Amino acid sequence: DQQVKQNSPSLSVQEGRISILNCDYTNSMFDYFLWYKKYPAEGPTFLISISSIKDKNEDGRFTVFLNKSAKHLSLHIVPSQPGDSAVYFCAVGFSGNTPLVFGKGTRLSVIA
Amino acid sequence: ETGVTQTPRHLVMGMTNKKSLKCEQHLGHNAMYWYKQSAKKPLELMFVYNFKEQTENNSVPSRFSPECPNSSHLFLHLHTLQPEDSALYLCASSQAGPNGEKLFFGSGTQLSVL
Repeated sequence: DQQVKQNSPSLSVQEGRISILNCDYTNSMFDYFLWYKKYPAEGPTFLISISSIKDKNEDGRFTVFLNKSAKHLSLHIVPSQPGDSAVYFCAVGFSGNTPLVFGKGTRLSVIA
Repeated sequence: ETGVTQTPRHLVMGMTNKKSLKCEQHLGHNAMYWYKQSAKKPLELMFVYNFKEQTENNSVPSRFSPECPNSSHLFLHLHTLQPEDSALYLCASSQAGPNGEKLFFGSGTQLSVL
Protein backbone atom coordinates (compact mmCIF):
# COMPACT_ATOMS: atom_id res chain seq x y z
CA ASP A 1 0.00 0.00 0.00
CA GLN A 2 1.27 3.44 -0.90
CA GLN A 3 2.56 5.52 1.98
CA VAL A 4 2.46 8.70 -0.06
CA LYS A 5 -0.38 9.48 -2.45
CA GLN A 6 -0.63 12.17 -5.07
CA ASN A 7 -4.12 11.54 -6.35
CA SER A 8 -4.02 13.95 -9.26
CA PRO A 9 -1.78 12.62 -12.02
CA SER A 10 -2.07 15.89 -13.92
CA LEU A 11 -3.12 19.50 -13.49
CA SER A 12 -3.55 22.35 -15.98
CA VAL A 13 -3.46 25.96 -14.85
CA GLN A 14 -3.60 29.29 -16.67
CA GLU A 15 -0.49 31.44 -16.50
CA GLY A 16 -0.70 33.91 -13.63
CA ARG A 17 -3.16 31.82 -11.65
CA ILE A 18 -2.46 29.72 -8.57
CA SER A 19 -1.38 26.07 -8.88
CA ILE A 20 -2.22 23.81 -5.95
CA LEU A 21 -0.67 20.36 -5.79
CA ASN A 22 -1.76 17.95 -3.09
CA CYS A 23 -0.18 15.05 -1.27
CA ASP A 24 -1.48 12.69 1.43
CA TYR A 25 0.58 10.40 3.62
CA THR A 26 -0.36 7.53 5.89
CA ASN A 27 2.24 7.45 8.65
CA SER A 28 1.78 10.17 11.26
CA MET A 29 5.36 9.63 12.44
CA PHE A 30 6.84 11.23 9.33
CA ASP A 31 8.32 14.56 10.32
CA TYR A 32 10.03 15.91 7.21
CA PHE A 33 8.29 16.76 3.97
CA LEU A 34 9.69 17.86 0.64
CA TRP A 35 8.65 18.74 -2.89
CA TYR A 36 10.77 17.92 -5.89
CA LYS A 37 10.35 19.16 -9.44
CA LYS A 38 11.32 17.14 -12.50
CA TYR A 39 11.71 18.26 -16.09
CA PRO A 40 11.87 15.70 -18.91
CA ALA A 41 15.30 14.10 -19.36
CA GLU A 42 16.49 15.48 -16.02
CA GLY A 43 16.58 14.14 -12.48
CA PRO A 44 14.27 15.55 -9.79
CA THR A 45 15.50 18.75 -8.16
CA PHE A 46 14.70 19.88 -4.65
CA LEU A 47 12.14 22.66 -4.50
CA ILE A 48 11.01 23.30 -0.94
CA SER A 49 10.68 21.46 2.36
CA ILE A 50 8.93 21.73 5.70
CA SER A 51 9.42 20.05 9.05
CA SER A 52 6.61 18.88 11.26
CA ILE A 53 7.11 21.73 13.74
CA LYS A 54 5.79 24.19 11.15
CA ASP A 55 2.57 24.41 9.17
CA LYS A 56 3.80 26.72 6.44
CA ASN A 57 7.04 27.47 4.63
CA GLU A 58 7.39 30.04 1.90
CA ASP A 59 10.09 30.57 -0.72
CA GLY A 60 9.27 33.16 -3.33
CA ARG A 61 6.36 31.98 -5.44
CA PHE A 62 6.32 28.60 -3.71
CA THR A 63 4.58 27.85 -0.42
CA VAL A 64 4.22 24.48 1.23
CA PHE A 65 1.43 23.90 3.74
CA LEU A 66 1.35 21.04 6.22
CA ASN A 67 -1.79 19.80 7.96
CA LYS A 68 -0.54 17.17 10.38
CA SER A 69 -3.93 16.18 11.71
CA ALA A 70 -5.13 15.46 8.18
CA LYS A 71 -1.76 14.03 7.11
CA HIS A 72 -1.92 16.31 4.14
CA LEU A 73 0.67 18.40 2.37
CA SER A 74 0.15 20.93 -0.40
CA LEU A 75 2.30 23.06 -2.65
CA HIS A 76 1.03 26.42 -3.84
CA ILE A 77 2.65 28.19 -6.78
CA VAL A 78 1.54 31.75 -7.37
CA PRO A 79 1.64 33.23 -9.87
CA SER A 80 2.14 30.18 -12.08
CA GLN A 81 4.51 30.54 -15.01
CA PRO A 82 4.98 28.40 -18.14
CA GLY A 83 8.44 27.42 -16.87
CA ASP A 84 6.77 25.76 -13.89
CA SER A 85 5.43 23.06 -16.20
CA ALA A 86 7.00 19.86 -14.87
CA VAL A 87 6.26 16.79 -12.78
CA TYR A 88 6.12 17.53 -9.06
CA PHE A 89 6.92 14.79 -6.55
CA CYS A 90 5.95 14.87 -2.92
CA ALA A 91 8.41 13.10 -0.60
CA VAL A 92 8.22 12.34 3.10
CA GLY A 93 10.69 11.02 5.64
CA PHE A 94 12.19 11.18 9.09
CA SER A 95 14.59 13.92 10.12
CA GLY A 96 18.20 12.85 9.96
CA ASN A 97 17.29 9.46 8.59
CA THR A 98 16.84 7.77 5.26
CA PRO A 99 15.22 7.02 3.05
CA LEU A 100 12.61 9.35 1.59
CA VAL A 101 9.34 7.90 0.33
CA PHE A 102 8.02 9.45 -2.87
CA GLY A 103 4.60 9.82 -4.42
CA LYS A 104 3.82 9.07 -8.06
CA GLY A 105 4.04 12.70 -9.06
CA THR A 106 1.65 15.25 -10.55
CA ARG A 107 2.28 16.66 -14.02
CA LEU A 108 1.63 20.40 -13.97
CA SER A 109 1.01 22.23 -17.24
CA VAL A 110 0.92 26.01 -17.10
CA ILE A 111 -0.81 27.39 -20.16
CA ALA A 112 0.19 30.78 -21.50
CA GLU B 1 24.03 21.02 -12.55
CA THR B 2 23.23 19.17 -9.33
CA GLY B 3 26.71 17.83 -8.62
CA VAL B 4 25.62 14.27 -9.34
CA THR B 5 26.67 12.86 -12.71
CA GLN B 6 25.26 9.70 -14.24
CA THR B 7 26.46 7.84 -17.31
CA PRO B 8 25.29 6.73 -19.75
CA ARG B 9 22.20 8.89 -20.26
CA HIS B 10 20.58 6.25 -22.43
CA LEU B 11 21.15 2.51 -22.66
CA VAL B 12 19.56 -0.17 -24.79
CA MET B 13 20.44 -3.73 -23.95
CA GLY B 14 19.34 -7.25 -24.73
CA MET B 15 18.27 -9.66 -22.04
CA THR B 16 21.57 -11.55 -22.23
CA ASN B 17 23.82 -8.50 -22.02
CA LYS B 18 25.83 -7.26 -19.07
CA LYS B 19 26.15 -3.53 -18.57
CA SER B 20 26.93 -1.11 -15.78
CA LEU B 21 25.50 2.27 -14.79
CA LYS B 22 27.86 4.78 -13.22
CA CYS B 23 27.21 7.60 -10.78
CA GLU B 24 29.63 10.15 -9.36
CA GLN B 25 28.89 12.89 -6.84
CA HIS B 26 31.03 15.98 -6.31
CA LEU B 27 29.21 17.24 -3.23
CA GLY B 28 31.14 15.55 -0.46
CA HIS B 29 28.06 13.66 0.66
CA ASN B 30 28.22 10.50 2.72
CA ALA B 31 25.21 8.62 1.36
CA MET B 32 24.35 7.46 -2.14
CA TYR B 33 21.20 5.85 -3.53
CA TRP B 34 19.78 4.09 -6.54
CA TYR B 35 16.13 4.79 -7.39
CA LYS B 36 13.99 3.35 -10.17
CA GLN B 37 11.29 5.36 -11.88
CA SER B 38 8.78 3.43 -13.95
CA ALA B 39 5.86 5.01 -15.76
CA LYS B 40 2.93 5.88 -13.48
CA LYS B 41 4.71 4.61 -10.38
CA PRO B 42 6.38 6.36 -7.46
CA LEU B 43 10.13 6.59 -7.37
CA GLU B 44 11.18 3.24 -5.94
CA LEU B 45 14.19 3.05 -3.67
CA MET B 46 16.53 0.22 -4.68
CA PHE B 47 19.73 0.55 -2.65
CA VAL B 48 21.25 2.84 -0.03
CA TYR B 49 24.93 3.18 0.80
CA ASN B 50 26.21 5.09 3.83
CA PHE B 51 29.97 5.61 4.02
CA LYS B 52 30.44 2.91 1.34
CA GLU B 53 28.43 0.35 3.33
CA GLN B 54 25.13 -0.92 1.96
CA THR B 55 22.48 -0.12 4.52
CA GLU B 56 19.37 -0.92 2.54
CA ASN B 57 18.39 -3.35 -0.20
CA ASN B 58 14.74 -2.90 -0.98
CA SER B 59 14.08 -6.49 -2.11
CA VAL B 60 15.75 -5.87 -5.42
CA PRO B 61 16.27 -8.91 -7.72
CA SER B 62 19.82 -10.21 -7.87
CA ARG B 63 20.11 -9.30 -11.54
CA PHE B 64 20.79 -5.80 -10.19
CA SER B 65 24.10 -5.66 -8.36
CA PRO B 66 25.31 -2.40 -6.77
CA GLU B 67 28.89 -1.48 -6.02
CA CYS B 68 30.17 1.46 -3.99
CA PRO B 69 33.99 1.61 -4.07
CA ASN B 70 34.10 4.96 -2.24
CA SER B 71 31.77 7.68 -1.01
CA SER B 72 31.84 9.49 -4.35
CA HIS B 73 31.17 6.64 -6.76
CA LEU B 74 28.30 4.24 -7.15
CA PHE B 75 27.72 1.60 -9.80
CA LEU B 76 24.75 -0.55 -10.73
CA HIS B 77 25.76 -3.71 -12.57
CA LEU B 78 23.05 -5.21 -14.74
CA HIS B 79 22.82 -8.75 -16.11
CA THR B 80 20.09 -10.91 -17.64
CA LEU B 81 17.52 -8.16 -17.28
CA GLN B 82 13.89 -8.49 -18.27
CA PRO B 83 11.84 -6.12 -20.47
CA GLU B 84 9.90 -4.99 -17.38
CA ASP B 85 13.17 -3.62 -16.00
CA SER B 86 13.01 -0.86 -18.61
CA ALA B 87 12.83 2.37 -16.63
CA LEU B 88 14.67 5.52 -15.65
CA TYR B 89 17.37 4.72 -13.09
CA LEU B 90 18.26 7.63 -10.87
CA CYS B 91 21.26 8.02 -8.63
CA ALA B 92 21.11 10.41 -5.69
CA SER B 93 23.34 11.55 -2.85
CA SER B 94 22.74 13.22 0.47
CA GLN B 95 24.38 14.45 3.64
CA ALA B 96 22.41 13.32 6.67
CA GLY B 97 21.74 15.95 9.27
CA PRO B 98 19.31 17.13 11.93
CA ASN B 99 17.03 18.77 9.39
CA GLY B 100 16.41 15.60 7.49
CA GLU B 101 17.51 14.26 4.19
CA LYS B 102 17.69 16.39 1.09
CA LEU B 103 18.50 14.29 -1.94
CA PHE B 104 20.43 15.54 -4.92
CA PHE B 105 19.65 13.55 -8.05
CA GLY B 106 21.54 12.89 -11.22
CA SER B 107 19.84 13.16 -14.60
CA GLY B 108 19.26 9.43 -14.72
CA THR B 109 19.91 6.62 -17.17
CA GLN B 110 16.97 5.74 -19.40
CA LEU B 111 17.23 1.99 -19.78
CA SER B 112 15.45 -0.05 -22.43
CA VAL B 113 15.65 -3.84 -22.26
CA LEU B 114 14.75 -5.59 -25.49
